[in-house]
Amino acid sequence: DQQVKQNSPSLSVQEGRISILNCDYTNSMFDYFLWYKKYPAEGPTFLISISSIKDKNEDGRFTVFLNKSAKHLSLHIVPSQPGDSAVYFCAASDGSGSEKLVFGKGTKLTVNP
Amino acid sequence: DTAVSQTPKYLVTQMGNDKSIKCEQNLGHDTMYWYKQDSKKFLKIMFSYNNKELIINETVPNRFSPKSPDKAHLNLHINSLELGDSAVYFCASSQRWGSYEQYFGPGTRLTVT
Repeated sequence: DQQVKQNSPSLSVQEGRISILNCDYTNSMFDYFLWYKKYPAEGPTFLISISSIKDKNEDGRFTVFLNKSAKHLSLHIVPSQPGDSAVYFCAASDGSGSEKLVFGKGTKLTVNP
Repeated sequence: DTAVSQTPKYLVTQMGNDKSIKCEQNLGHDTMYWYKQDSKKFLKIMFSYNNKELIINETVPNRFSPKSPDKAHLNLHINSLELGDSAVYFCASSQRWGSYEQYFGPGTRLTVT
């Protein structure tokens, strides 16, 4: 029962271009969403988050968009840099106070110089 | 200065053995977690402790027993290891209960032969 889906296992973009990573969810109770970045042999690191009361959150080169009606969020990276090459995980929480995060399978981003 | 550390990084052992993984955080956080990343790459929460008290206990075999001697430490003991326990185990912490941003350790790759 995959409540958080990242349907693209991999994405390859050129340096300087935009990277768009997508995430879909099925649980309408989810009200907080996060993106984590993971390099090989390291743990995931928090990147950016968005509450369901917003539809956009921006932090430098990273912007997350939330479309609640479509149960879809996306992470935009502009401009993409080779150091952004990593696996990106989408995660969601139902705000019940359980702090339980449900993760997607991740999308491996490769930024080519 | 490692924020969340785990030992060992790699663990190879035979079926039926008992093993422990240790986790320490030096961030002063109140809440700690154990996650399992299986072969399908899903990160799934196993346990969560807040101020040394067990809060989340997902459907995990009772061969897995977490122990939190203090707020900075959360260890995971596994009895009678099985082949299916092979995975990467991540420890994480968050500042307080209800804080969604979690800080992950580098992971422990457990291989059961």
